Amino acid sequence: GNSVTQMEGPVTLSEEAFLTINCTYTATGYPSLFWYVQYPGEGLQLLLKATKADDKGSNKGFEATYRKETTSFHLEKGSVQVSDSAVYFCALTQRQSSTYSGAGSYQLTFGKGTKLSVIP
Amino acid sequence: GAGVSQSPSNKVTEKGKDVELRCDPISGHTALYWYRQSLGQGLEFLIYFQGNSAPDKSGLPSDRFSAERTGGSVSTLTIQRTQQEDSAVYLCASSFGLAGSDTQYFGPGTRLTVL
Repeated sequence: GNSVTQMEGPVTLSEEAFLTINCTYTATGYPSLFWYVQYPGEGLQLLLKATKADDKGSNKGFEATYRKETTSFHLEKGSVQVSDSAVYFCALTQRQSSTYSGAGSYQLTFGKGTKLSVIP
Repeated sequence: GAGVSQSPSNKVTEKGKDVELRCDPISGHTALYWYRQSLGQGLEFLIYFQGNSAPDKSGLPSDRFSAERTGGSVSTLTIQRTQQEDSAVYLCASSFGLAGSDTQYFGPGTRLTVL
């Protein structure tokens, strides 16, 4: 089955440091890849996504490139801020055929999350 | 516009009681998903609805868990005879459901504590 592995945290960085959170996946075919973020006390929200190989997703200064050859989708930001402190989840979707009906679903398969703390 | 809403935000119950969790998806979204977030297991898929049908129930952990969706909108997740291992945050998400690239929008979750 599908799986996502991301680096374990917590990660603590000083403000303006460079951030990399590694994410690799296992899936057949061509999944869509996502980074979701959960800020303290808030719900999960999409940070960025990429739907095919070599696509780069970007948002709020964060970037990730879909690498089919290395099955990776590493998250990077050049200069983190205190406000980036959150838990980051790498995830994928791929059409899953139901054993019940054969109908497809696109449930997300998540990594375990990486907690990032940015200190001033 | 309005996002995904869930109620209650917190639920404390005693072992053996039944609970109902509600999800209001974004208007027009045909796909609705339930997930569970717990410290030990991370984020796990529970069940998927397309319209009012649930073609994928593969993530439900036991037959104590059930869900329904009515009018292609509101969904209710029911847990019967709750156990302590059911304690978790239950998340609902909705999307247009047309492709794997569709963004799933999450609600704030219901934190369930079983004493």
